[in-house]
Amino acid sequence: DAGITQSPRHKVTETGTPVTLRCHQTENHRYMYWYRQDPGHGLRLIHYSYGVKDTDKGEVSDGYSVSRSKTEDFLLTLESATSSQTSVYFCAIGRAEDTDTQYFGPGTRLTVL
Amino acid sequence: DAKTTQPPSMDCAEGRAANLPCNHSTISGNEYVYWYRQIHSQGPQYIIHGLKNNETNEMASLIITEDRKSSTLILPHATLRDTAVYYCSRGGYGNKLVFGAGTILRVKS
Repeated sequence: DAGITQSPRHKVTETGTPVTLRCHQTENHRYMYWYRQDPGHGLRLIHYSYGVKDTDKGEVSDGYSVSRSKTEDFLLTLESATSSQTSVYFCAIGRAEDTDTQYFGPGTRLTVL
Repeated sequence: DAKTTQPPSMDCAEGRAANLPCNHSTISGNEYVYWYRQIHSQGPQYIIHGLKNNETNEMASLIITEDRKSSTLILPHATLRDTAVYYCSRGGYGNKLVFGAGTILRVKS
């Protein structure tokens, strides 16, 4: 398995509180991605990074921010969590080549009450 | 918005070929078709990808139509361990993947 870890693996929080999810890789891959998975929607891209301090939005970026200060870490922040952000969040990594495959982490299950 | 459509579920007998279809309402010339699968709640795993030619690897075959709007993932001899959710996706620059909602494949003995 690719060296990707996500923390925490499970989190329950209350509406309005800030939440940060962490993705850590040991593969030195350039690209990192955050997806959310919801029933009936498959996986949807939230944000991605193509290098340290280089990030861009995906298709469902509203309410989320990201940061990447080191190659190995990609943080996803919910500034003020809402119940609609209850989901399973997956981090993925990929190399620089456009056609490269992505390797997914184990996921974080977030519940916002 | 462009949509990727997959049947919600399919059944397949063990040992038979499983053929999973996928349709893209639009797909750009530089976008590849990717297939991933997810077993239980684990992270999705890569299966195969292609641009316009048919592809085969040790896990599966991928058939892409000439207009590239349809693809079929073929598991030649399905086993019980192939029971999973299969996701079709398309991706281009930066490999930003756009996924379908997935097909639950149930392999039955």
